[in-house]
Amino acid sequence: EAQVTQNPRYLITVTGKKLTVTCSQNMNHEYMSWYRQDPGLGLRQIYYSMNVEVTDKGDVPEGYKVSRKEKRNFPLILESPSPNQTSLYFCASSLLVLAGGVTGELFFGEGSRLTVL
Amino acid sequence: KNEVEQSPQNLTAQEGEFITINCSYSVGISALHWLQQHPGGGIVSLFMLSSGKKKHGRLIATINIQEKHSSLHITASHPRDSAVYICADGGSQGNLIFGKGTKLSVKP
Repeated sequence: EAQVTQNPRYLITVTGKKLTVTCSQNMNHEYMSWYRQDPGLGLRQIYYSMNVEVTDKGDVPEGYKVSRKEKRNFPLILESPSPNQTSLYFCASSLLVLAGGVTGELFFGEGSRLTVL
Repeated sequence: KNEVEQSPQNLTAQEGEFITINCSYSVGISALHWLQQHPGGGIVSLFMLSSGKKKHGRLIATINIQEKHSSLHITASHPRDSAVYICADGGSQGNLIFGKGTKLSVKP
């Protein structure tokens, strides 16, 4: 079954304690991306990757790190989480059908709800 | 800076009604995505289009490149269509820009 898997789904942590949210896809997609969703602000892109070893900042990258060492995995790292990073996080992947932009169907993970105290 | 505007923000309809949700963007795009998010649920892709019109069941999506406008139509709406509908500009390099979403409630 084609899917994007995120872990953990729920996490409560404390300020400053490093954490990693994993994202894995089994569709051999080139494109992977992370978003956060906050009430009233909608979805905002954190980082994206067009292929292995290629990552770029989205609209709200501050406080986050990513890496793309393998095609299937795209972990999101919060080196020193702060309460303003409390949010619902989604990972997504897509096959890049055409050059320039996200031109394939997007597949989303189920979301990871993070609370930073 | 590219912006994506959706209207209306909230929409309440009676079961069976024809529904239209609008999406406007400011910069030329590679593709326009329509997404659906049920309460407490994940996000699923409904359509990805770069021109013309697509149909899937009771859902129809259209795009007018010249006017930088897309619409999502739901025919014969049903309570299970109640969800947030989000449009997104596919960007030029992978930088997706999202609208703030339209919250649809269909009453029986």
